[in-house]
Amino acid sequence: DAKTTQPNSMESNEEEPVHLPCNHSTISGTDYIHWYRQLPSQGPEYVIHGLTSNVNNRMASLAIAEDRKSSTLILHRATLRDAAVYYCILRELNAGGTSYGKLTFGQGTILTVHP
Amino acid sequence: NAGVTQTPKFRVLKTGQSMTLLCAQDMNHEYMYWYRQDPGMGLRLIHYSVGEGTTAKGEVPDGYNVSRLKKQNFLLGLESAAPSQTSVYFCASTVLPGTGELFFGEGSRLTVL
Repeated sequence: DAKTTQPNSMESNEEEPVHLPCNHSTISGTDYIHWYRQLPSQGPEYVIHGLTSNVNNRMASLAIAEDRKSSTLILHRATLRDAAVYYCILRELNAGGTSYGKLTFGQGTILTVHP
Repeated sequence: NAGVTQTPKFRVLKTGQSMTLLCAQDMNHEYMYWYRQDPGMGLRLIHYSVGEGTTAKGEVPDGYNVSRLKKQNFLLGLESAAPSQTSVYFCASTVLPGTGELFFGEGSRLTVL
């Protein structure tokens, strides 16, 4: 599985934007970029995913570099509830691939949000 | 809509005892997964299933067995628990393995003494 590199931790103030970077220099053409987050004492939850174009949803935005070797998860206005571990993960597109859609989690980025 | 439900949520075992964790999903998903998470670590895949009656090994399968007799249920068994299996276990399911969102349960915290 292609690997991702994320900073161990980041800090933000409430109501400020947060940019969480992820490097994935070995990404293949069929890898989707997924972001999940894990709130304290909970299971991971889906945040957003994309392939080549930038994506927006109600939770966040995903900015993907033109060469796809890096991406940035953007939380437009951080709240205290956004304090979590954020995981950047690559998933193969095809069901017939060896990954069968399983996620390979790295260490993630611990986001601390200050009031 | 219950989503993914794990039982039990907490369990304490003695070394050598056996137990089964149950994962149930009500979303008609084909793909199901069992992960474990140790303190300060990311999740690691134990076993997964691509449909009823199928199972496959993940990254850390040793010491665990699984079964998928019904599409909605994915069972994780520990035949002879060891302290190294103390962990939080998460079950997940998805309908589309490539792009679909994985839905996770709330976790089952297992302590082996």
